[in-house]
Amino acid sequence: GAGVSQSPRYKVAKRGQDVALRCDPISGHVSLFWYQQALGQGPEFLTYFQNEAQLDKSGLPSDRFFAERPEGSVSTLKIQRTQQEDSAVYLCASSLEISGWYTEAFFGQGTRLTVV
Amino acid sequence: DQQVKQNSPSLSVQEGRISILNCDYTNSMFDYFLWYKKYPAEGPTFLISISSIKDKNEDGRFTVFLNKSAKHLSLHIVPSQPGDSAVYFCAASGDSWGKLQFGAGTQVVVTP
Repeated sequence: GAGVSQSPRYKVAKRGQDVALRCDPISGHVSLFWYQQALGQGPEFLTYFQNEAQLDKSGLPSDRFFAERPEGSVSTLKIQRTQQEDSAVYLCASSLEISGWYTEAFFGQGTRLTVV
Repeated sequence: DQQVKQNSPSLSVQEGRISILNCDYTNSMFDYFLWYKKYPAEGPTFLISISSIKDKNEDGRFTVFLNKSAKHLSLHIVPSQPGDSAVYFCAASGDSWGKLQFGAGTQVVVTP
């Protein structure tokens, strides 16, 4: 597709359940980011991939959060033993990294996770 | 710690007038700044950016101004249109791969 695609759009999980959120970046985009957006706040960085390498995971809030991008394209964000505070919109973004220059990141529509 | 701040949670402006959105940052290592626009139930959409070597960047009705000494940037929209009603996020980056720090957003409402 032309844009960043995320699935599912909405997910309701019972507390303690594991969830997996999928991101299909724009074809050819080297960089992939995951952000978490709480209600009324701006997105907060979770993790960054350059191709299949996870270069920065400093924003992951706990060891219950795990992200992977094994073939350098599709990425999955997994949350184990979900807690109510994990309820948020999870945004994926990709960008075409050009050495020495910044390019803007393109965001998907997000996955709204509600933990009950 | 909030390194990017948008102190106005909302802004109401009449159609045809100028909208001015403000953003302050604290990290002097930031060297690239962006504005994103977000409609409900959609992801943020890139609007305009500016690097720290410039003090102004213009794209159609949108102009971003950067004052590095004050660690302040602003977005001007002129003339404002009803379709501009959205949440606007200021974002900044200071690393080599473009990790973004976002402000909390400003809800803009353009009234007829």
